[in-house]
Amino acid sequence: DVKVTQSSRYLVKRTGEKVFLECVQDMDHENMFWYRQDPGLGLRLIYFSYDVKMKEKGDIPEGYSVSREKKERFSLILESASTNQTSMYLCASHYGTGAATNEKLFFGSGTQLSVL
Amino acid sequence: AQTVTQSQPEMSVQEAETVTLSCTYDTSENNYYLFWYKQPPSRQMILVIRQEAYKQQNATENRFSVNFQKAAKSFSLKISDSQLGDTAMYFCAFRPGTSYGKLTFGQGTILTVHP
Repeated sequence: DVKVTQSSRYLVKRTGEKVFLECVQDMDHENMFWYRQDPGLGLRLIYFSYDVKMKEKGDIPEGYSVSREKKERFSLILESASTNQTSMYLCASHYGTGAATNEKLFFGSGTQLSVL
Repeated sequence: AQTVTQSQPEMSVQEAETVTLSCTYDTSENNYYLFWYKQPPSRQMILVIRQEAYKQQNATENRFSVNFQKAAKSFSLKISDSQLGDTAMYFCAFRPGTSYGKLTFGQGTILTVHP
């Protein structure tokens, strides 16, 4: 089965720090996504990528950037962490476009980030 | 823009009974897909069931079935013969026809199955 690995399960950072959240998938998927999950708000899309070196803004990109230098790795960057970025961050991958009777997102186990 | 609303923050059910989780959505798209994802305490999101909007037949997966009412923009999940392992957060999600992987999620419903 597809494995999506997020480098940290829990992370504590200070306000103003630059934070890197790493995500690696092992199934040669084209598409990768970063969501954040907050109580009462569900999951919201931050950034996504449909190809290497390609990135597109999701619904809440402010304060974040991403990097996709290799197909299997998609990094989320908090340039200057703030307390309102305390959240659960979920990475996901998807095989790509085309018809798919079994289409689904494959998620990592999430990184719970606390910014103090 | 699409919106997805889950109006039940928490639900509970006795083991072996049936429970229905509600979801409504708003969209101007004609071609789209709807999903229910489950997030147990392990935090690993798992796809429960998927429905294509162009299919009139409601999707089923073992004990899980949906009631898809396209005109009413309603997509509820029915869990039959509830099991303790069904305890989790459940998210309803929507995606337009060609926006692969770009899901809009609802707020989530915490389901607790009691023995």
